[in-house]
Amino acid sequence: DQQVKQNSPSLSVQEGRISILNCDYTNSMFDYFLWYKKYPAEGPTFLISISSIKDKNEDGRFTVFLNKSAKHLSLHIVPSQPGDSAVYFCAASTISGTYKYIFGTGTRLKVLA
Amino acid sequence: DTAVSQTPKYLVTQMGNDKSIKCEQNLGHDTMYWYKQDSKKFLKIMFSYNNKELIINETVPNRFSPKSPDKAHLNLHINSLELGDSAVYFCASSHKRASGRYNEQFFGPGTRLTVL
Repeated sequence: DQQVKQNSPSLSVQEGRISILNCDYTNSMFDYFLWYKKYPAEGPTFLISISSIKDKNEDGRFTVFLNKSAKHLSLHIVPSQPGDSAVYFCAASTISGTYKYIFGTGTRLKVLA
Repeated sequence: DTAVSQTPKYLVTQMGNDKSIKCEQNLGHDTMYWYKQDSKKFLKIMFSYNNKELIINETVPNRFSPKSPDKAHLNLHINSLELGDSAVYFCASSHKRASGRYNEQFFGPGTRLTVL
């Protein structure tokens, strides 16, 4: 049973435009969400996170939005750059399992120059 | 200065063999993890240690045995390797805050295990 889903395996965006990556979850107990970025042959690197008490968190070109009623979060990258081309994973955790992340299957973003 | 390092990066071995993967972090974190990323790219937690104590043990075959000699190291030993063990194994570390929550996890570069 996959509790965190990223339904789009891939996404292509023109350089300078907005990239929107989506993530859905089923467990209403999740209260902390993260986005990780992964380049080939490297480990995932932390990008941005959001607590369930917020609906938006921004860090430079990256913004994460959380819609608790829809159990949906999204990552916006504006403007997109070729160096953003990578696989993006969303992850979720609960208060009772703060050390355990449940990861989605990832979305491969390709930013076209 | 590598924060979380794993050795080896690649491991090719025959079915039935026993092998180990080592992980070290120099971030001063107190919690370490092992993840498995299978052919479908699904990244799944296997084990976690906090201050050398096992705190997560997911449904993993007994052939997999983690060992944490100290807070900076978490090794993974696999007995009687099977074809299905072929995957990329990632080590990660994080730190537990005073609130009880954990900071984000830092990942190593991964070890690609191929069982023939």
